[in-house]
Amino acid sequence: QSALTQPASVSGSPGQSITISCTGTSSDVGGYDYVSWHQQHPGKAPKLVIYDVNNRPSGVSDRFSGSKSGNTASLTISGLQAEDEADYYCISYTSSTLGGVVFGGGTKLTVL
Amino acid sequence: QVQLVESGGGVVQPGRSLRLSCAASGFTFRSYGMHWVRQAPGKGLEWVAIISHDGTNKYYADSMKGRFTISRDNSRNTVYLQMNSLRAEDTALYYCAKPGYCSSTICSSWFDTWGQGTLVIVSS
Repeated sequence: QSALTQPASVSGSPGQSITISCTGTSSDVGGYDYVSWHQQHPGKAPKLVIYDVNNRPSGVSDRFSGSKSGNTASLTISGLQAEDEADYYCISYTSSTLGGVVFGGGTKLTVL
Repeated sequence: QVQLVESGGGVVQPGRSLRLSCAASGFTFRSYGMHWVRQAPGKGLEWVAIISHDGTNKYYADSMKGRFTISRDNSRNTVYLQMNSLRAEDTALYYCAKPGYCSSTICSSWFDTWGQGTLVIVSS
């Protein structure tokens, strides 16, 4: 199963906005509005921050937003804060496998 | 509150077996399909397997097919991962994860709850 493609790293200064991309195919990202984003701090379990492309779970800051265009989904974090420094993973439904789930390789966000 | 607690990890020699457990609480376990996801040291998340809410359907990542078996006991609110013929590359932190929602036929591809993980080290 091919993973979704994410940049290895992105960085930004406090207060700035950053965007992390997640590129797949028409069998996953492009074909369905079932992309989610999970944040993982070192030594911690992942935490859901966006589901179904652009929905925020209760308790997640509105500085986090999601979008999708074609086969690429994006996570945008506005007003960067030090606590946003973490790894971010996209996950999508896929029709290519019976398991139905495909992960991105992860992106390390550094807050300068 | 919703909680997942994994156990059963440890150090094991190549070729040996290990069974992981994930105890669930705080939700109607029998209504949810459940996943195992792993993370090798310093690496990204990797999907391992899924089991349907009633245990009738099981699917695996290609690299685990034939070696790993996922199962569940709804009377004990527990999902298991039996890992056989372990290899060094199976060394990882193994998480169980709960989908955000499940209907009678399908579950979401996103996870609203993860356990803390159990560490498996395959080494001679």
